[in-house]
Amino acid sequence: NAGVTQTPKFRVLKTGQSMTLLCAQDMNHEYMYWYRQDPGMGLRLIHYSVGEGTTAKGEVPDGYNVSRLKKQNFLLGLESAAPSQTSVYFCASSRDALLETQYFGPGTRLLVL
Amino acid sequence: GENVEQHPSTLSVQEGDSAVIKCTYSDSASNYFPWYKQELGKRPQLIIDIRSNVGEKKDQRIAVTLNKTAKHFSLHITETQPEDSAVYFCAASKGGSYIPTFGRGTSLIVHP
Repeated sequence: NAGVTQTPKFRVLKTGQSMTLLCAQDMNHEYMYWYRQDPGMGLRLIHYSVGEGTTAKGEVPDGYNVSRLKKQNFLLGLESAAPSQTSVYFCASSRDALLETQYFGPGTRLLVL
Repeated sequence: GENVEQHPSTLSVQEGDSAVIKCTYSDSASNYFPWYKQELGKRPQLIIDIRSNVGEKKDQRIAVTLNKTAKHFSLHITETQPEDSAVYFCAASKGGSYIPTFGRGTSLIVHP
């Protein structure tokens, strides 16, 4: 099993450009999450999904959109990138949210100029 | 909602010493408390967790204690080694909630 994978690993964008980050898991997990990690801020939840076709906002959703068309994939979109979105993005999944471990992807480092 | 405070933000110890990281939470309904370790440039990975029906759990050099009355839980690492150097995150969640709340992390530095 590959676990949780993310593409791309690193990306540089110019302000105003758009991009999509892809998260894939092969563990048949129901729940998937997108976090951003900034120095001194820990892990902040952007959006999450409790199953195929569902999405919900987390703590810092502004400027991001998500989709979960297939159970194994969770996409994070930036429609118009801003320098404040420079961060490391982690995807995570869990079997269910009832007392279960989160498994994280390797992260995507995004730099917005 | 839940609020998790984690202290200290940085902890520097000599190899062989013990290290303790403490987290407090606000929601008395929280009942699952995992700890994640994140090495530099890597992903967070679970190292130990505890559920609210137990007070302590050990795994070799790592232990976690939970005080439900005071609403705090702690990570204890004994006989620290340089490879323990990393950022450690605590989290709290409750059954039926889809969202674990993370602390801001503790950077542990173990000096050889």
